[in-house]
Amino acid sequence: KAGVTQTPRYLIKTRGQQVTLSCSPISGHRSVSWYQQTPGQGLQFLFEYFSETQRNKGNFPGRFSGRQFSNSRSEMNVSTLELGDSALYLCASSSTGGYQETQYFGPGTRLLVL
Amino acid sequence: GDSVTQMEGPVTLSEEAFLTINCTYTATGYPSLFWYVQYPGEGLQLLLKATKADDKGSNKGFEATYRKETTSFHLEKGSVQVSDSAVYFCALIGGGADGLTFGKGTHLIIQP
Repeated sequence: KAGVTQTPRYLIKTRGQQVTLSCSPISGHRSVSWYQQTPGQGLQFLFEYFSETQRNKGNFPGRFSGRQFSNSRSEMNVSTLELGDSALYLCASSSTGGYQETQYFGPGTRLLVL
Repeated sequence: GDSVTQMEGPVTLSEEAFLTINCTYTATGYPSLFWYVQYPGEGLQLLLKATKADDKGSNKGFEATYRKETTSFHLEKGSVQVSDSAVYFCALIGGGADGLTFGKGTHLIIQP
């Protein structure tokens, strides 16, 4: 099976712009979660989608949003970018998102905000 | 809320040395516990997991036992190799399933 794929792998944006990141889960997986990784804050949970519905949300401002399509692919959007949004954004998929399931991570999208 | 505490390092060992990376957690209920590993420039790979008390997860010579009484999930390996050099993350997810909660990560350097 192919793993979790994320596009693009690298992005450079300027403050105030918006950005959309894409994630394709492992075939058959219906739960997709997003995480932000920064040197200062470490890995933090953004949100989780299951069957096109946001099921859980971390403690991030409303500028961070996402959606999931009927084929389970997910996108994450960040509007009005700030310098502090520079990070590695990781997507993870699992079968149904149950807490005993393993989440499989993609390689990440590295976003640099100038 | 849930939290995970682990040594941040860097931890530097010689090849064939014994490895222990401590991980303790705070969570309500009975979370599932995980160790993930991140190699430079890559995403996270699952190393091992345990979903209930006294379970032992193991993979590639690494082991960790879910200790509910001490709220710990320490990672051990009997003989490390240079290829084990990476950042190791301890993580948990609770019954509420609000995403994985990660420790800060331990940077492990193995010298030949």
